[in-house]
Amino acid sequence: DTEVTQTPKHLVMGMTNKKSLKCEQHMGHRAMYWYKQKAKKPPELMFVYSYEKLSINESVPSRFSPECPNSSLLNLHLHALQPEDSALYLCASSQDPRTARNTIYFGEGSWLTVV
Amino acid sequence: AQKVTQAQTEISVVEKEDVTLDCVYETRDTTYYLFWYKQPPSGELVFLIRRNSFDEQNEISGRYSWNFQKSTSSFNFTITASQVVDSAVYFCALSEAMGAQKLVFGQGTRLTINP
Repeated sequence: DTEVTQTPKHLVMGMTNKKSLKCEQHMGHRAMYWYKQKAKKPPELMFVYSYEKLSINESVPSRFSPECPNSSLLNLHLHALQPEDSALYLCASSQDPRTARNTIYFGEGSWLTVV
Repeated sequence: AQKVTQAQTEISVVEKEDVTLDCVYETRDTTYYLFWYKQPPSGELVFLIRRNSFDEQNEISGRYSWNFQKSTSSFNFTITASQVVDSAVYFCALSEAMGAQKLVFGQGTRLTINP
């Protein structure tokens, strides 16, 4: 079983709604990630948090707002999304942000549908 | 720039056949890391293997084996005696050593094992 836990598993939201995706890991990892995956495409990096600070934002629209309250938790706040934002959102973590030598472990993902 | 190519979009074989998934990569770095992930229909990306650029030893884990050849920039994955449970999308990914850890994924190969 994955040690990166994501909730909810499925989310349907309207374009005017505000919702959040949550991610939790208890492996002591200090790097956490959000990836977005459209159908039949590979995952694409959205954000990287390193020691609870945002280190990479891959030019993601502001309607996606990440938050890292502590070293174990990562949230993705969603507001005024568009139908094309419907996708699988994957959270991931790795041990040490200072090196690429780590393995990145992924959660089960949150399936988001915007109507 | 980094690039990962998985030329096989879909593969379909009968159970117990051996199958090889191809992965070719491009990078200017001399130190980099290669990964294989499995994604079943549930959505989770399951880590299978990580290989360092300076370690060209082949790896075998049960029915899985990996062949890393720097001379051809390839990191191929073979499943021996395939089983229906091996059906999934398989992604090859590359991470360069410098800077934050950013995985670059190939387009994925959808593997179907028929009984």
